[in-house]
Amino acid sequence: GEDVEQSLFLSVREGDSSVINCTYTDSSSTYLYWYKQEPGAGLQLLTYIFSNMDMKQDQRLTVLLNKKDKHLSLRIADTQTGDSAIYFCAESSWADKLIFGTGTRLQVFP
Amino acid sequence: SQTIHQWPATLVQPVGSPLSLECTVEGTSNPNLYWYRQAAGRGLQLLFYSVGIGQISSEVPQNLSASRPQDRQFILSSKKLLLSDSGFYLCAWSAPKGQGIHEQYFGPGTRLTVT
Repeated sequence: GEDVEQSLFLSVREGDSSVINCTYTDSSSTYLYWYKQEPGAGLQLLTYIFSNMDMKQDQRLTVLLNKKDKHLSLRIADTQTGDSAIYFCAESSWADKLIFGTGTRLQVFP
Repeated sequence: SQTIHQWPATLVQPVGSPLSLECTVEGTSNPNLYWYRQAAGRGLQLLFYSVGIGQISSEVPQNLSASRPQDRQFILSSKKLLLSDSGFYLCAWSAPKGQGIHEQYFGPGTRLTVT
């Protein structure tokens, strides 16, 4: 079945860039997403990319998609303490479900 | 605009007691609805999803059940809770298939502790 994998932890210094990586197995993925979850809260959709795109930029966020390698990344420029959270990538084909990764806990230290 | 509500926000229940968690969506019609569970420090586990009233798909056989009595209402239930049912329960909605980019929007969650 479909699978989405992420590294569990990432620690960065405030002001540096963060890069969170994700790999997926479903070659029929049409959209890929990045969600953010702050402690004790639901998930917030940050951004998404269509599978025929290589890159999408939205303010401090840059999404890179390598469809050949089934690799997705989220780069956060000028990382702030408020960016500390769990980040989930997810993919969908034409089904009614999203397949979520395990989540990457980003810790930003001063 | 669309909003999604969940209640209660937190719940402490003894083992063997029943459970009912409610989720409602406003500002949209015929949404797809989803129940997820997130154990402490873990990822999301899809429990149930529904594409219409009375239509429930179960992803993981377990001690829980779901119902959709109205278009924008989704209920998660159990007759007898187990310790392993503890976790953070999230409801989500998305536009019906063929509309939008399939993104899901999440409620604030219910923290369930079974003692």
